[in-house]
Amino acid sequence: GQQVMQIPQYQHVQEGEDFTTYCNSSTTLSNIQWYKQRPGGHPVFLIQLVKSGEVKKQKRLTFQFGEAKKNSSLHITATQTTDVGTYFCAGVEYGGSQGNLIFGKGTKLSVKP
Amino acid sequence: ETGVTQTPRHLVMGMTNKKSLKCEQHLGHNAMYWYKQSAKKPLELMFVYNFKEQTENNSVPSRFSPECPNSSHLFLHLHTLQPEDSALYLCASSHTISTGGGYEQYFGPGTRLTVT
Repeated sequence: GQQVMQIPQYQHVQEGEDFTTYCNSSTTLSNIQWYKQRPGGHPVFLIQLVKSGEVKKQKRLTFQFGEAKKNSSLHITATQTTDVGTYFCAGVEYGGSQGNLIFGKGTKLSVKP
Repeated sequence: ETGVTQTPRHLVMGMTNKKSLKCEQHLGHNAMYWYKQSAKKPLELMFVYNFKEQTENNSVPSRFSPECPNSSHLFLHLHTLQPEDSALYLCASSHTISTGGGYEQYFGPGTRLTVT
């Protein structure tokens, strides 16, 4: 079945450094979503990418969807302590039901002040 | 964020107990989901309901039994659970489900379940 791999599993950065997490799917995706889960919290939707090669920005966060629609990345510029949490990508297999959202294991980001 | 509420927030139960988790969404959504989140695995989709009809059941053991009486409420009935079922159970909702482009999911705070 479809698998979504996410790397790295953990990332420790100094405040002000950049951070990137990568997401790779074993199959072509119709769309990909990103979520953030703060420690002790629940996943919160960040963004959805649908088009091949799409790039979207939210302040210091930049999201990309690969040309083949099998990979995606999230880049945070100049991390802040408020960025701490686990970032998950989640994809829907092309032709599949949106109800079957497959999540990656997430990248846990810690930021040292 | 109070769009999706879950009760109880914490639950400790023995392997012979029967309990239920409740989820309620106040967002006017038509799709609701149950997920299991455990420490060493990705977020696992368990069940999906769209307009009260179950559309996904990802090979979940029968000791977990979902119920969706209406688009705003979702239950997960638990019986004869195993210690490995201890996890955070998250409920989510979305506008609906569809092929192709999808809708963002809104998660509740979760129920932290411990099976002893």
